[in-house]
Amino acid sequence: GAVVSQHPSWVICKSGTSVKIECRSLDFQATTMFWYRQFPKQSLMLMATSNEGSKATYEQGVEKDKFLINHASLTLSTLTVTSAHPEDSSFYICSAYRPENTEAFFGQGTRLTVV
Amino acid sequence: RKEVEQDPGPFNVPEGATVAFNCTYSNSASQSFFWYRQDCRKEPKLLMSVYSSGNEDGRFTAQLNRASQYISLLIRDSKLSDSATYLCVVTPPDYKLSFGAGTTVTVRA
Repeated sequence: GAVVSQHPSWVICKSGTSVKIECRSLDFQATTMFWYRQFPKQSLMLMATSNEGSKATYEQGVEKDKFLINHASLTLSTLTVTSAHPEDSSFYICSAYRPENTEAFFGQGTRLTVV
Repeated sequence: RKEVEQDPGPFNVPEGATVAFNCTYSNSASQSFFWYRQDCRKEPKLLMSVYSSGNEDGRFTAQLNRASQYISLLIRDSKLSDSATYLCVVTPPDYKLSFGAGTTVTVRA
């Protein structure tokens, strides 16, 4: 079964609204989670690293005020896309890394469409 | 230069054929290497880890060449169900996984 659960799996929203995406590790504690974005026919691009109890670190070119990340517990990280625009439409995937077996587990992904 | 580069393909092969492709990485300090499989509109799923000595899992064989900084994946006796995009994943010391853009494989009947 899934070890990382992401919700919602798809969402359609109007321009200017905010969308929150949740990522939960189900059977292990994840002090670090990663958020990726994937545009059609492109690779997964790391957006930010979510650190439990501290501020997220963002990759170059990713606006921290637009993509708000909260990692309030060892099993939950949230990504909020604020004031969404059509160009934010993409496939967002979270990942949690379990160091003891060096495997990354992915959420099911969220397909965001901004109209 | 991208951290991880893959031949995007597509590799269009008949059932039963062998297909192989590589992935190069730029960070020589990278510690772990994986092949993930991603089906259309789905999340990536681990196919296999890549060990220094090379490893095999059924019809799939992965190799690591640290000197030349590349990993490879070979699929023998291709099945229709092998059609997917294969992502090369490299783990540098900070654990920020670096993904290749993926190699698309299409197996035809």
